[in-house]
Amino acid sequence: GEDVEQSLFLSVREGDSSVINCTYTDSSSTYLYWYKQEPGAGLQLLTYIFSNMDMKQDQRLTVLLNKKDKHLSLRIADTQTGDSAIYFCAESLKEGYSTLTFGKGTMLLVSP
Amino acid sequence: EAGVVQSPRYKIIEKKQPVAFWCNPISGHNTLYWYLQNLGQGPELLIRYENEEAVDDSQLPKDRFSAERLKGVDSTLKIQPAELGDSAVYLCASSYSGPRETQYFGPGTRLLVL
Repeated sequence: GEDVEQSLFLSVREGDSSVINCTYTDSSSTYLYWYKQEPGAGLQLLTYIFSNMDMKQDQRLTVLLNKKDKHLSLRIADTQTGDSAIYFCAESLKEGYSTLTFGKGTMLLVSP
Repeated sequence: EAGVVQSPRYKIIEKKQPVAFWCNPISGHNTLYWYLQNLGQGPELLIRYENEEAVDDSQLPKDRFSAERLKGVDSTLKIQPAELGDSAVYLCASSYSGPRETQYFGPGTRLLVL
């Protein structure tokens, strides 16, 4: 099946690192994405990783991909209150298409 | 560069009434998507356009939903008649054509059906 699963909620203190986890089921995924959605807003692309990569770093964001376990994680270093939002993991399934399948989202709450 | 524009941002209607949502994609983006986002869920694709052609509408409930992108730029999504269960956020996204192109999302239209 085509399922993307995420934990629903994560709470951290400002300055700590946050790690948001995602598992997917389709081994033919080509790209895996992390999107951020703030209240009342659309989805903002944070970063993505190609399925033949293990890691990608972009400023405070680090994406780790374990293809064997079909596990994806997003680490946010030095988490700020402005990082409070819902984070969606998504996979691009079909070669030649850009259709995305999203997880249900992880709500990250950063307290001062 | 202007992002994806959607209107209206909010809409409240009574059940059985029609409703329409409008989307203006990022300039130069040939591919346009309509997604449905229910409360507490991730977005689900309703329809994807390549220019003016609907190339993936398998998830669009065609008995009450329709969409068009007549000139390959702006798009309209319509529901007629609306049902209570249609209350959700309708997101529009756009991208350049081709596989694995990044999708950029609009702010969405929040629909409440009473």
